[in-house]
Amino acid sequence: DTAVSQTPKYLVTQMGNDKSIKCEQNLGHDTMYWYKQDSKKFLKIMFSYNNKELIINETVPNRFSPKSPDKAHLNLHINSLELGDSAVYFCASSQDGRIPSGLREQFFGPGTRLTVL
Amino acid sequence: ILNVEQSPQSLHVQEGDSTNFTCSFPSSNFYALHWYRWETAKSPEALFVMTLNGDEKKKGRISATLNTKEGYSYLYIKGSQPEDSATYLCASTNTGNQFYFGTGTSLTVIP
Repeated sequence: DTAVSQTPKYLVTQMGNDKSIKCEQNLGHDTMYWYKQDSKKFLKIMFSYNNKELIINETVPNRFSPKSPDKAHLNLHINSLELGDSAVYFCASSQDGRIPSGLREQFFGPGTRLTVL
Repeated sequence: ILNVEQSPQSLHVQEGDSTNFTCSFPSSNFYALHWYRWETAKSPEALFVMTLNGDEKKKGRISATLNTKEGYSYLYIKGSQPEDSATYLCASTNTGNQFYFGTGTSLTVIP
């Protein structure tokens, strides 16, 4: 069973389009995250959701919006795609509880490679 | 934004050799240091999380140490095997609990 899954695995689209990437976790975790792996291979946090509440929102363009229909899903919607949005996007989740968030192990999805033409 | 740096960027070793690589991070507002193992075509998997200066963690042939005063962590692999080939990522979290990842060290173990 896949713990954290993302769809699609690859996404090729034209500049200006709107697209979504879906993420689902079956671990019963309370917090989910979106990361962008940039051209220098850094994983940069974009968003995290805890019980449907946005708790981290780094300086990402407002064309990016996370949508969480329930605790097991955190989808990433991107409006008006730009060339610079081409990257690999990773979803992750972690368990809440008494462990502070900075100590929690994160479980990553397989990534979605987005190419904007 | 924290600058987390890893070196070397890539490494090739012969099977059976021991190896180590470095993760450097800002020591101010330090909270925790994480190591992840990332195999090609798979997702990163957590290896260790360390918080205290002088911490040492071990899992099989892999171990890690932490120096929070000078801002570095070493990952050691004893008797490298081909299945150890992967990218090893470190991430530092600060008192704001935000994760800052390095770019990883890509290890290739040659049979």
